[in-house]
Amino acid sequence: GESVGLHLPTLSVQEGDNSIINCAYSNSASDYFIWYKQESGKGPQFIIDIRSNMDKRQGQRVTVLLNKTVKHLSLQIAATQPGDSAVYFCVEAFSGGYNKLIFGAGTRLAVHP
Amino acid sequence: DAGVIQSPRHEVTEMGQEVTLRCKLISGHNSLFWYRQTMMRGLELLIYFNNNVPIDDSGMPEDRFSAKMPNASFSTLKIQPSEPRDSAVYFCASSIQGYGNQPQHFGDGTRLSIL
Repeated sequence: GESVGLHLPTLSVQEGDNSIINCAYSNSASDYFIWYKQESGKGPQFIIDIRSNMDKRQGQRVTVLLNKTVKHLSLQIAATQPGDSAVYFCVEAFSGGYNKLIFGAGTRLAVHP
Repeated sequence: DAGVIQSPRHEVTEMGQEVTLRCKLISGHNSLFWYRQTMMRGLELLIYFNNNVPIDDSGMPEDRFSAKMPNASFSTLKIQPSEPRDSAVYFCASSIQGYGNQPQHFGDGTRLSIL
């Protein structure tokens, strides 16, 4: 939605704990979803993706869950490390289009030792 | 493997000057996206190319902005004349198109400051 400035929600976790970042997506027609990580001074980095015919996908230390009924996406990071500190974006796309990505506002993950 | 390469990493110039940002796609990718990121508006898509052809330029702010792909591996984004409100981080991203949705891979951006 529209906002004057972007105030990123922040998730603070202790090193070694598991992190869960949640996201509500907007378009019920979206059928492809990606999580990106952006560290300070760098571009968004691809973490993991999931298509709408799945409800769970696992990578290395990360798991993405998709609930199409309530249009909800989550990213779980196991054993969070200081290097995981970044802004995380959930992104939706529609395969009937040209792969145009719709970025959310992002969530800042702060990992404390 | 080399990722998306952008240059320069930082650019500071006075308003009214021409600015040219450069991007080299990942080898084998055929789609190119230019984005702009600001604190106020987040990440915005400016323009999308597929196989060197501009497909969607609806995000280009105004005629002062132009983008080209002189070949399959390289793109430029030009601002002429530049204005202070153009200050932002500009990213390009590339992907493989034609095989369903594929993730876009981003460069590390050009931080542009117009004084």
